[in-house]
Amino acid sequence: GAGVSQTPSNKVTEKGKYVELRCDPISGHTALYWYRQSLGQGPEFLIYFQGTGAADDSGLPNDRFFAVRPEGSVSTLKIQRTERGDSAVYLCASSLTGGDRVTGELFFGEGSRLTVL
Amino acid sequence: KQEVTQIPAALSVPEGENLVLNCSFTDSAIYNLQWFRQDPGKGLTSLLLIQSSQREQTSGRLNASLDKSSGRSTLYIAASQPGDSATYLCAVDSNYQLIWGAGTKLIIKP
Repeated sequence: GAGVSQTPSNKVTEKGKYVELRCDPISGHTALYWYRQSLGQGPEFLIYFQGTGAADDSGLPNDRFFAVRPEGSVSTLKIQRTERGDSAVYLCASSLTGGDRVTGELFFGEGSRLTVL
Repeated sequence: KQEVTQIPAALSVPEGENLVLNCSFTDSAIYNLQWFRQDPGKGLTSLLLIQSSQREQTSGRLNASLDKSSGRSTLYIAASQPGDSATYLCAVDSNYQLIWGAGTKLIIKP
C-alpha cells in the first residue's frame, strides 16, 4: 500500500475485554514496530519484527500483550483482559531496512486510539 | 539507561522567525538520531535522520545537527510558517531500540 495502515482508528472497550489492533505495513518493508504513546509523552517501544519473527519483544509490558506477524506483512497486536492503564494510542511503523537495529527511515501509521472504560 | 530530553516542552513564536529545538541524550553511544513531526491525532512523519558519523543533515528549511560527545542535537527551522505548527520529537537509536523524547509542541502565530 501507499502507507502504513492501522485499524481500527478508534476502539472503546470495557475493562477485562480482549482487543486486537491491526497494522498493514508498506509493501516490501521487512521491519515492523509497535509503539504505545500516552498523551504528552513520546512513543514507548513495545515490539519489533524482522520478517515473521519477533526480533525484540522486550518492550511488551506483561503477558497480557502479544503480537504476531505470521506471513511477514500484516501484524496484529493482541491485548487480553484489558485494563484502564492500557488506554493509549498504539502506533505501528515499518522500515525498508531493519536487520539487527533501526537503520532506516521509519514510516508510521496514524495509530489506533484505545480507550478502556 | 539512555534518556532523551527535549526542552522546551512548548514554544510559540511569530511567523517568519528562525527557531531552534533542542534534544539531549545521556548516553553518547548512539547509532543514529531522528527528528519526527507529529500533527494532532496523526502518526509521526520522519523529518531527518542523522547517522552517528554525521554532524548534520538538511532538508529544505530544516537543519539538524548532532554532537555525540555532548549528547545534544538541535533542529533548526528557518523562516517559520503557520504550517510548521506541530509537535516535534527526537529519537535515538540506542542499544537496538529507539528511545524517544516527549517532544516540543511548536505553535507558529500568523
